[in-house]
Amino acid sequence: EAGVAQSPRYKIIEKRQSVAFWCNPISGHATLYWYQQILGQGPKLLIQFQNNGVVDDSQLPKDRFSAERLKGVDSTLKIQPAKLEDSAVYLCASSLNFHGYTFGSGTRLTVV
Amino acid sequence: ELKVEQNPLFLSMQEGKNYTIYCNYSTTSDRLYWYRQDPGKSLESLFVLLSNGAVKQEGRLMASLDTKARLSTLHITAAVHDLSATYFCAVDDSGAGSYQLTFGKGTKLSVIP
Repeated sequence: EAGVAQSPRYKIIEKRQSVAFWCNPISGHATLYWYQQILGQGPKLLIQFQNNGVVDDSQLPKDRFSAERLKGVDSTLKIQPAKLEDSAVYLCASSLNFHGYTFGSGTRLTVV
Repeated sequence: ELKVEQNPLFLSMQEGKNYTIYCNYSTTSDRLYWYRQDPGKSLESLFVLLSNGAVKQEGRLMASLDTKARLSTLHITAAVHDLSATYFCAVDDSGAGSYQLTFGKGTKLSVIP
Protein backbone atom coordinates (compact mmCIF):
# COMPACT_ATOMS: atom_id res chain seq x y z
CA GLU A 1 0.00 0.00 0.00
CA ALA A 2 1.42 3.34 -1.02
CA GLY A 3 1.79 5.84 1.77
CA VAL A 4 0.72 9.46 2.07
CA ALA A 5 2.63 11.48 -0.52
CA GLN A 6 3.60 15.09 0.05
CA SER A 7 5.50 17.63 -2.01
CA PRO A 8 7.70 19.52 -2.00
CA ARG A 9 9.94 18.13 0.72
CA TYR A 10 11.57 21.47 1.40
CA LYS A 11 10.70 25.07 0.62
CA ILE A 12 12.43 28.33 1.44
CA ILE A 13 10.60 31.58 0.80
CA GLU A 14 10.82 35.18 1.86
CA LYS A 15 8.24 36.65 4.21
CA ARG A 16 5.16 38.01 2.48
CA GLN A 17 5.55 35.52 -0.38
CA SER A 18 3.02 32.78 -1.01
CA VAL A 19 3.56 29.02 -0.95
CA ALA A 20 1.50 25.90 -1.60
CA PHE A 21 1.87 22.33 -0.40
CA TRP A 22 0.35 19.24 -1.93
CA CYS A 23 -0.84 15.99 -0.36
CA ASN A 24 -2.06 12.75 -1.90
CA PRO A 25 -3.57 10.48 0.78
CA ILE A 26 -3.75 6.72 0.80
CA SER A 27 -6.27 5.51 -1.74
CA GLY A 28 -9.71 5.16 -0.21
CA HIS A 29 -8.98 7.19 2.91
CA ALA A 30 -11.89 9.56 3.31
CA THR A 31 -10.41 11.69 6.06
CA LEU A 32 -7.44 13.97 5.48
CA TYR A 33 -5.65 16.18 7.98
CA TRP A 34 -3.08 18.94 7.80
CA TYR A 35 -0.88 19.45 10.84
CA GLN A 36 1.71 22.12 11.58
CA GLN A 37 4.76 21.06 13.60
CA ILE A 38 6.95 23.88 14.85
CA LEU A 39 10.47 22.86 15.83
CA GLY A 40 10.54 21.28 19.26
CA GLN A 41 6.76 20.93 19.53
CA GLY A 42 4.12 18.34 18.83
CA PRO A 43 2.03 18.56 15.67
CA LYS A 44 -0.98 20.88 15.84
CA LEU A 45 -4.09 20.27 13.74
CA LEU A 46 -4.81 22.96 11.16
CA ILE A 47 -7.70 21.46 9.21
CA GLN A 48 -9.61 18.20 8.82
CA PHE A 49 -11.47 17.10 5.70
CA GLN A 50 -14.02 14.33 5.33
CA ASN A 51 -14.13 13.55 1.61
CA ASN A 52 -14.14 17.06 0.12
CA GLY A 53 -15.90 18.78 3.01
CA VAL A 54 -14.27 20.63 5.90
CA VAL A 55 -14.97 19.04 9.29
CA ASP A 56 -12.82 21.30 11.48
CA ASP A 57 -10.77 24.35 10.57
CA SER A 58 -11.01 26.10 13.92
CA GLN A 59 -7.23 26.34 14.30
CA LEU A 60 -6.49 27.45 10.75
CA PRO A 61 -5.35 31.10 10.56
CA LYS A 62 -7.83 31.93 7.87
CA ASP A 63 -6.47 35.39 7.16
CA ARG A 64 -3.43 33.79 5.53
CA PHE A 65 -3.98 30.03 5.31
CA SER A 66 -6.35 28.24 2.97
CA ALA A 67 -6.86 24.61 2.07
CA GLU A 68 -8.96 22.63 -0.32
CA ARG A 69 -9.58 19.04 -1.19
CA LEU A 70 -11.04 18.78 -4.63
CA LYS A 71 -12.89 15.59 -5.55
CA GLY A 72 -12.20 14.20 -2.08
CA VAL A 73 -8.70 12.99 -2.94
CA ASP A 74 -5.68 15.30 -3.21
CA SER A 75 -5.39 18.37 -1.05
CA THR A 76 -3.46 21.62 -1.19
CA LEU A 77 -2.57 23.93 1.68
CA LYS A 78 -1.65 27.51 0.83
CA ILE A 79 -0.10 30.31 2.83
CA GLN A 80 -0.39 33.88 1.57
CA PRO A 81 1.36 35.99 2.73
CA ALA A 82 3.84 33.98 4.76
CA LYS A 83 5.24 35.19 8.07
CA LEU A 84 8.44 34.21 9.84
CA GLU A 85 6.44 32.29 12.45
CA ASP A 86 5.04 30.01 9.73
CA SER A 87 8.40 28.26 9.55
CA ALA A 88 7.53 24.67 10.43
CA VAL A 89 7.01 21.20 9.05
CA TYR A 90 3.59 20.72 7.50
CA LEU A 91 2.38 17.16 7.85
CA CYS A 92 -0.47 15.60 5.96
CA ALA A 93 -2.22 12.53 7.39
CA SER A 94 -5.07 10.35 6.24
CA SER A 95 -7.37 7.89 7.94
CA LEU A 96 -9.73 5.22 6.68
CA ASN A 97 -11.90 4.54 9.70
CA PHE A 98 -10.51 6.65 12.54
CA HIS A 99 -8.66 3.68 13.99
CA GLY A 100 -5.34 4.62 12.54
CA TYR A 101 -3.64 7.60 11.04
CA THR A 102 -0.88 7.51 8.44
CA PHE A 103 1.40 10.51 8.16
CA GLY A 104 3.31 11.71 5.14
CA SER A 105 6.97 12.73 5.20
CA GLY A 106 6.06 16.38 5.55
CA THR A 107 7.10 19.63 3.91
CA ARG A 108 9.70 21.66 5.76
CA LEU A 109 9.00 25.37 5.24
CA THR A 110 11.55 28.03 6.08
CA VAL A 111 10.44 31.67 5.88
CA VAL A 112 13.31 34.16 5.81
CA GLU B 1 -10.19 21.90 25.04
CA LEU B 2 -8.24 18.66 25.23
CA LYS B 3 -4.76 19.00 26.74
CA VAL B 4 -2.08 16.34 26.51
CA GLU B 5 0.95 16.54 28.78
CA GLN B 6 4.05 14.41 28.51
CA ASN B 7 6.87 14.12 30.96
CA PRO B 8 9.69 14.24 30.98
CA LEU B 9 10.29 16.40 27.91
CA PHE B 10 13.95 15.42 27.80
CA LEU B 11 15.42 12.12 28.90
CA SER B 12 19.03 11.06 28.82
CA MET B 13 19.64 7.50 29.86
CA GLN B 14 22.38 4.95 29.72
CA GLU B 15 22.18 1.82 27.66
CA GLY B 16 20.76 -1.08 29.60
CA LYS B 17 18.63 1.03 31.92
CA ASN B 18 14.85 1.10 32.25
CA TYR B 19 12.66 4.16 32.22
CA THR B 20 9.04 5.28 31.79
CA ILE B 21 7.54 8.18 29.86
CA TYR B 22 4.20 9.47 31.11
CA CYS B 23 1.30 10.92 29.14
CA ASN B 24 -1.62 12.60 30.91
CA TYR B 25 -4.67 13.96 29.14
CA SER B 26 -7.53 16.13 30.24
CA THR B 27 -10.75 14.68 28.82
CA THR B 28 -12.30 11.28 28.49
CA SER B 29 -10.94 9.28 25.61
CA ASP B 30 -10.33 5.60 25.12
CA ARG B 31 -7.96 5.88 22.21
CA LEU B 32 -4.33 6.78 22.57
CA TYR B 33 -1.43 6.56 20.16
CA TRP B 34 2.32 6.54 20.57
CA TYR B 35 4.55 7.75 17.75
CA ARG B 36 8.27 7.86 17.21
CA GLN B 37 9.95 10.65 15.26
CA ASP B 38 13.58 10.63 14.17
CA PRO B 39 15.25 13.97 13.32
CA GLY B 40 14.01 15.28 10.00
CA LYS B 41 11.59 12.39 9.58
CA SER B 42 7.87 11.95 9.81
CA LEU B 43 5.88 10.18 12.51
CA GLU B 44 6.12 6.42 12.81
CA SER B 45 3.24 4.71 14.55
CA LEU B 46 4.33 2.56 17.50
CA PHE B 47 1.19 1.64 19.41
CA VAL B 48 -2.55 2.13 19.25
CA LEU B 49 -4.31 1.66 22.60
CA LEU B 50 -8.05 1.35 22.20
CA SER B 51 -9.46 0.48 25.61
CA ASN B 52 -8.94 0.81 29.32
CA GLY B 53 -6.25 -1.54 30.56
CA ALA B 54 -4.80 -2.07 27.09
CA VAL B 55 -1.16 -3.11 27.09
CA LYS B 56 0.96 -3.55 24.01
CA GLN B 57 4.60 -4.54 23.65
CA GLU B 58 7.05 -4.41 20.80
CA GLY B 59 10.65 -5.26 21.48
CA ARG B 60 11.97 -3.11 24.31
CA LEU B 61 8.91 -0.82 24.37
CA MET B 62 5.68 -1.43 26.24
CA ALA B 63 2.70 0.92 26.32
CA SER B 64 -0.31 0.87 28.61
CA LEU B 65 -3.50 2.86 29.00
CA ASP B 66 -5.55 3.70 32.10
CA THR B 67 -8.57 5.65 30.90
CA LYS B 68 -9.89 6.22 34.42
CA ALA B 69 -6.67 7.95 35.44
CA ARG B 70 -6.36 9.50 31.95
CA LEU B 71 -2.82 8.21 31.85
CA SER B 72 -0.70 6.28 29.43
CA THR B 73 2.84 5.09 29.96
CA LEU B 74 5.59 4.07 27.57
CA HIS B 75 8.08 1.85 29.33
CA ILE B 76 11.55 1.31 27.95
CA THR B 77 13.37 -1.84 29.01
CA ALA B 78 17.15 -2.18 28.73
CA ALA B 79 17.54 0.81 26.45
CA VAL B 80 19.77 0.67 23.39
CA HIS B 81 21.17 3.53 21.33
CA ASP B 82 18.78 2.82 18.44
CA LEU B 83 15.89 3.93 20.62
CA SER B 84 17.16 7.52 20.60
CA ALA B 85 14.36 9.61 19.08
CA THR B 86 11.47 11.85 20.07
CA TYR B 87 8.36 10.04 21.31
CA PHE B 88 4.91 11.58 21.10
CA CYS B 89 1.66 10.50 22.63
CA ALA B 90 -1.53 11.60 20.93
CA VAL B 91 -5.10 11.34 22.11
CA ASP B 92 -7.99 10.74 19.76
CA ASP B 93 -10.43 13.53 20.51
CA SER B 94 -13.85 12.45 19.35
CA GLY B 95 -15.70 14.92 21.54
CA ALA B 96 -17.04 16.86 18.62
CA GLY B 97 -17.92 13.74 16.70
CA SER B 98 -14.96 14.17 14.39
CA TYR B 99 -11.94 12.10 15.21
CA GLN B 100 -8.67 13.99 15.33
CA LEU B 101 -5.39 13.68 17.21
CA THR B 102 -4.13 16.08 19.86
CA PHE B 103 -0.43 15.62 20.53
CA GLY B 104 1.77 16.11 23.55
CA LYS B 105 4.96 18.13 23.24
CA GLY B 106 7.07 15.03 22.89
CA THR B 107 9.84 13.39 24.92
CA LYS B 108 13.30 13.61 23.40
CA LEU B 109 15.13 10.46 24.39
CA SER B 110 18.89 10.15 24.17
CA VAL B 111 20.40 6.77 24.97
CA ILE B 112 24.06 7.04 25.82
CA PRO B 113 26.33 4.08 25.12
